Amino acid sequence: GNSVTQMEGPVTLSEEAFLTINCTYTATGYPSLFWYVQYPGEGLQLLLKATKADDKGSNKGFEATYRKETTSFHLEKGSVQVSDSAVYFCALADNTDKLIFGTGTRLQVFP
Amino acid sequence: EAQVTQNPRYLITVTGKKLTVTCSQNMNHEYMSWYRQDPGLGLRQIYYSMNVEVTDKGDVPEGYKVSRKEKRNFPLILESPSPNQTSLYFCASSPRGVRFGYTFGSGTRLTVV
Repeated sequence: GNSVTQMEGPVTLSEEAFLTINCTYTATGYPSLFWYVQYPGEGLQLLLKATKADDKGSNKGFEATYRKETTSFHLEKGSVQVSDSAVYFCALADNTDKLIFGTGTRLQVFP
Repeated sequence: EAQVTQNPRYLITVTGKKLTVTCSQNMNHEYMSWYRQDPGLGLRQIYYSMNVEVTDKGDVPEGYKVSRKEKRNFPLILESPSPNQTSLYFCASSPRGVRFGYTFGSGTRLTVV
């Protein structure tokens, strides 16, 4: 079946470091791909999305490119801030309109 | 402000005592869904609704009921809660389906003792 695999956390970085959180997927057809972010004590927020191969989603300095050849949608940011500390979820929407989440990756950014 | 509102935020209850978690959205979204979030298991869908009077089971529907009598409201009902339903619950809505992206509520932390 369809699935999403994320790197295990926590990811611990110093402020202004470069961030990569890996996400790979298994799906039939042409899924849409998403990154959601969950700040402490809050619900998930849509961070960015991409709906077809080679699309790049971007928001708040975060970027992810839909790579069909490697079935990946890695999240990147050039310079993280303490306020980026959160749990990040990769997700895919398959052709049955079902949203499948990864297990989440906790990011901790220290000053 | 466009939002999904869940109530209550926190609830402690006893086994077998019926409870309802309310969910309301003010964005005229057609699609609504309930998830539970558990450590190590991520988010799992309980039920979803594609429109008024249209609901269907997600991945973990056992022990839960829902209704969609109005477009804006999608309550989650636990008829006879058990300790294994202790979890963090999220309601979410989308304009027409998951491909459009969800707006999530702030969550309800439920403890069943």
